[in-house]
Amino acid sequence: SQKIEQNSEALNIQEGKTATLTCNYTNYSPAYLQWYRQDPGRGPVFLLLIRENEKEKRKERLKVTFDTTLKQSLFHITASQPADSATYLCALEDYGGSQGNLIFGKGTKLSVKP
Amino acid sequence: DAGITQSPRYKITETGRQVTLMCHQTWSHSYMFWYRQDLGHGLRLIYYSAAADITDKGEVPDGYVVSRSKTENFPLTLESATRSQTSVYFCASLSGTGSLVGETQYFGPGTRLLVL
Repeated sequence: SQKIEQNSEALNIQEGKTATLTCNYTNYSPAYLQWYRQDPGRGPVFLLLIRENEKEKRKERLKVTFDTTLKQSLFHITASQPADSATYLCALEDYGGSQGNLIFGKGTKLSVKP
Repeated sequence: DAGITQSPRYKITETGRQVTLMCHQTWSHSYMFWYRQDLGHGLRLIYYSAAADITDKGEVPDGYVVSRSKTENFPLTLESATRSQTSVYFCASLSGTGSLVGETQYFGPGTRLLVL
């Protein structure tokens, strides 16, 4: 079965630096990958989606890459701010499930210090 | 208000009791999902529904029952609550239009359930 891993449980960086979060997957080739943000006590909120034929996607200070050879996605936040502190989840289509189903990584908790 | 809501937001119950968690969405999305989120496990799919009267099991369905008589509602019932069902429960929806490839899920605020 497919497996998804976010390598770091927690990442601490200084304000203004670029945060880079990693998502690795095994055992299949997803058509797309999504990144969500989750704040304490709240549900996940969608940030970005990248398809298998796209190498990079940007949205304001966010950038996502998708390397289907390495089976890896990188999520970058440039010029990070304390308000970016949250848990970030990556999600892949559930290949064995119904269309629209996702499998989520456990998340990386990002802390941006002023 | 438009969106996806869950009730109650917090619930304390005792082992063996029946508990129903409610989920309501105003978008008329076809697909709805129930997840539980636990430390060390992340989000795990309990049940999902592709449309009214169509439901299917996810990764961890044991001990749970769902129904979907109306498109906008997707209640989750714990028939006889156990301590291992203490968790945060999230409902989500997805419009299901077009090809579904890459459609995003919209999550509710969650229900925090404690089973004593």
